Amino acid sequence: NAGVMQNPRHLVRRRGQEARLRCSPMKGHSHVYWYRQLPEEGLKFMVYLQKENIIDESGMPKERFSAEFPKEGPSILRIQQVVRGDSAAYFCASSPTGQPYEQYFGPGTRLTVT
Amino acid sequence: GENVEQHPSTLSVQEGDSAVIKCTYSDSASNYFPWYKQELGKRPQLIIDIRSNVGEKKDQRIAVTLNKTAKHFSLHITETQPEDSAVYFCAASHEAGKSTFGDGTTLTVKP
Repeated sequence: NAGVMQNPRHLVRRRGQEARLRCSPMKGHSHVYWYRQLPEEGLKFMVYLQKENIIDESGMPKERFSAEFPKEGPSILRIQQVVRGDSAAYFCASSPTGQPYEQYFGPGTRLTVT
Repeated sequence: GENVEQHPSTLSVQEGDSAVIKCTYSDSASNYFPWYKQELGKRPQLIIDIRSNVGEKKDQRIAVTLNKTAKHFSLHITETQPEDSAVYFCAASHEAGKSTFGDGTTLTVKP
């Protein structure tokens, strides 16, 4: 059973471009969480999705950020018009039931905005 | 919302000594408290966790204690080894699933 997959692992974008980060949960997992980790800081919750639904987006910035988890395919975190402050590691975690003790983290995508 | 505070932010110990990291949380509804180890450039790895119906849990050199009344929990690492050097994060969660993380403790074990 493959673990949580994220791609790309590293992404470089110029200011103003769009960044698309993908997360493929473990097989059988229908719950996905996205976290952002700024340099030398802890992980901050962004959004919690279940297939085709956003359950909790309380940690998501109101502008430029969006997330989806379609019926088929990976979950996608989209950042429009990136700024230097968006440079961070973005981790997703998946769970089969939404229970926190069954969360498994992916390897992360490191976004660098130049 | 939940707020988790973690101390100390850095900790340096001699190999063989014990290390203790402490966290406090604010939301009494939180009932699951995992600890993660993160090496540079890697994903957080769950090393031990505790649920609110338990006061203490141990796994070899690692133990976690929970005081629900005081809303704090601690990680104890005994007989530290250089490979224990990493950043450690505590977190607090409840049934909603999302976790609130502390800001991390950089542990350095000097040989």
